[in-house]
Amino acid sequence: GAVVSQHPSWVICKSGTSVKIECRSLDFQATTMFWYRQFPKQSLMLMATSNEGSKATYEQGVEKDKFLINHASLTLSTLTVTSAHPEDSSFYICSAPDASGSTDTQYFGPGTRLTVL
Amino acid sequence: GENVEQHPSTLSVQEGDSAVIKCTYSDSASNYFPWYKQELGKGPQLIIDIRSNVGEKKDQRIAVTLNKTAKHFSLHITETQPEDSAVYFCAASSTSGTYKYIFGTGTRLKVLA
Repeated sequence: GAVVSQHPSWVICKSGTSVKIECRSLDFQATTMFWYRQFPKQSLMLMATSNEGSKATYEQGVEKDKFLINHASLTLSTLTVTSAHPEDSSFYICSAPDASGSTDTQYFGPGTRLTVL
Repeated sequence: GENVEQHPSTLSVQEGDSAVIKCTYSDSASNYFPWYKQELGKGPQLIIDIRSNVGEKKDQRIAVTLNKTAKHFSLHITETQPEDSAVYFCAASSTSGTYKYIFGTGTRLKVLA
């Protein structure tokens, strides 16, 4: 199946700093990628849809100025958490559909655990 | 709005027994239903999926059934093993965007050795 990687796998930062998380599709091109947030023992919450070459689409209640998304190429999307605060601590996961296939399957990255002190 | 209900939230079975997880979706236009397995600290992994033009699909010990009329779909795991212990999420394709899903709330499966 298609492989999606994320970097870093975990990060600890101080309150007020910014953190960038990368999501890469390794063996396929992805014009669309999704960013999710997951709190302990909860389901995946879609934050935004990253679109190659255009602006990201944010879900209701997600601050676009706080969670900056850039989809610079067909294999890379980045999520930057700006001015991070302890309440931003969470597990962030990206996914990408392999549009070359015949299904709508999203392939998920391994996730990035963010801890803001 | 679009919604996917998933039951049970937790499930414990003895090794070798079967496990069944059920989901109900609200949008009759949903046409793709994947199931994901998520182990602790990892991203979800696709384990099986089904399209709306199929009633059942099987892959070794895992099967998924779909009842379009009732808007129900279920995951069946037979001959469970300790390594099946994980959180399982169902999802239904969303009509609000291409490739978007609505996820269920998850089922924590524990297989007791």
